[in-house]
Amino acid sequence: EIVMTQSPATLSVSPGERATLSCRASQSVSSNLAWYQQKPGQAPRLLIYGASTRATGIPARFSGSGSGTEFTLTISSLQSGDFAVYYCQQYNNWPPWTFGQGTKVEIK
Amino acid sequence: QVQLQESGPGLVKPSETLSLTCTVSGGSISSYYWTWIRQPPGKGLEWIGYVHYSGSTNYNPSLRSRVTISLDTSKIQFSLKLSSVTAADTAVYYCARESGALDYWGQGTLVTVSS
Repeated sequence: EIVMTQSPATLSVSPGERATLSCRASQSVSSNLAWYQQKPGQAPRLLIYGASTRATGIPARFSGSGSGTEFTLTISSLQSGDFAVYYCQQYNNWPPWTFGQGTKVEIK
Repeated sequence: QVQLQESGPGLVKPSETLSLTCTVSGGSISSYYWTWIRQPPGKGLEWIGYVHYSGSTNYNPSLRSRVTISLDTSKIQFSLKLSSVTAADTAVYYCARESGALDYWGQGTLVTVSS
């Protein structure tokens, strides 16, 4: 099973600032990596797939990069609605598909 | 717009079988994988397994002995059965469509295992 490790666990950022979230895979997942945003009481929402492709309707301030074992999600200028928990997920090696433990982005 | 909706009992007794259904609307059920994921309260996401339109299935090895996922194409539904549940199976259960990544999700349903 591939282990996905996200860092940091919590990120404190002021509105308008940039946020950089990291995700590391225990072995290569090529570019088969997705990022999700989850707000309290809601289902996760797909932000990025294929490591760098924004899902439909996702603002351009969200960007993903990386391949192999190291990935990054960048939110260029945080807005109030962006404070949430973010998960990465690999869909390269199964079973099972695996998720990171999440990074909580909170208001500084 | 594809929509998914979970339904089923919110309370299940220990040792019994958890049964949930996901109804798909607004899109075709063909050519995709239909997936169940769960999230214990305050914790992260765990992939349970999927069923493909063809009927093929794939399960998380940690749950394989207790899980069955099936598809009813006539009703445009797919179902989850998890047997011999314990308190550790208490979670919000989500159904989702998989096209590589999980692009459409249901709102989730909380299932509590308790006597």
